[in-house]
Amino acid sequence: DVKVTQSSRYLVKRTGEKVFLECVQDMDHENMFWYRQDPGLGLRLIYFSYDVKMKEKGDIPEGYSVSREKKERFSLILESASTNQTSMYLCASSLGTSGNTGELFFGEGSRLTVL
Amino acid sequence: DAKTTQPTSMDCAEGRAANLPCNHSTISGNEYVYWYRQIHSQGPQYIIHGLKNNETNEMASLIITEDRKSSTLILPHATLRDTAVYYCIVSVKAAGNKLTFGGGTRVLVKP
Repeated sequence: DVKVTQSSRYLVKRTGEKVFLECVQDMDHENMFWYRQDPGLGLRLIYFSYDVKMKEKGDIPEGYSVSREKKERFSLILESASTNQTSMYLCASSLGTSGNTGELFFGEGSRLTVL
Repeated sequence: DAKTTQPTSMDCAEGRAANLPCNHSTISGNEYVYWYRQIHSQGPQYIIHGLKNNETNEMASLIITEDRKSSTLILPHATLRDTAVYYCIVSVKAAGNKLTFGGGTRVLVKP
C-alpha cells in the first residue's frame, strides 16, 4: 500500500517562528501536493510539485514556500508563522502522467496551532 | 474544473445501501467524476472514479447518468465505519490531480 507520512500530527508554534512540515511518500510518486483544511472552507491547494526541484503555486500560496530536493520528500515551510495559518495541513501524492489514474493518496494530516 | 453540488448531510441505516447524489451539470466531455471520503481526523481517501460508464470496486459503485450531469455513489451495505464526509469532484485527469474539494456530504450511519 502507498504510504504518505507526515512528520508531526500536532504542532504548536509561536507567531513569527519558522515552521517546517515534512511529508514523505514511499511509492516513487512523481506528484506531491500540500493542502490546508479549515472548517467551512474545505481543502485548499497551497503548492504542488511534479518533479524534484519543481514547484508550482496552488490557490493560496501566500505565506508559504516549499522544497522538493528528493523525489520522496516534499516540505512545506512557513517562513514566519502567523495565527491565521493555524490549520490542518494535508500532504498528498500521485503517480505522474504515465499510469496516472487521477487518484491522490493523502497523509493523516498535521494540525498546526500558531499562538 | 466543473463545480459540483452535494447535499450537506444525510443519514442512513447500518446494513442498508447508502445512495449519495452529486450534480455536475457543467461537466465537460474530458472531465472525470471522482469520489473521496474523509473519516474524522484522517486525510481524504480515494473511493472510485469514472468518465461515463458505471464503475464498481470493492468499496462502492458509481452510477453516472447518460448526460453526465449527475452521478450517484452507492455504498452497498453501509457500516458504522462508513460515517464520513464524502466529496464528489470533477476534474480533467491531465490536470495533475489538482483536485478541488468542496464541502461534501456528511454521512452518518446509524445502528
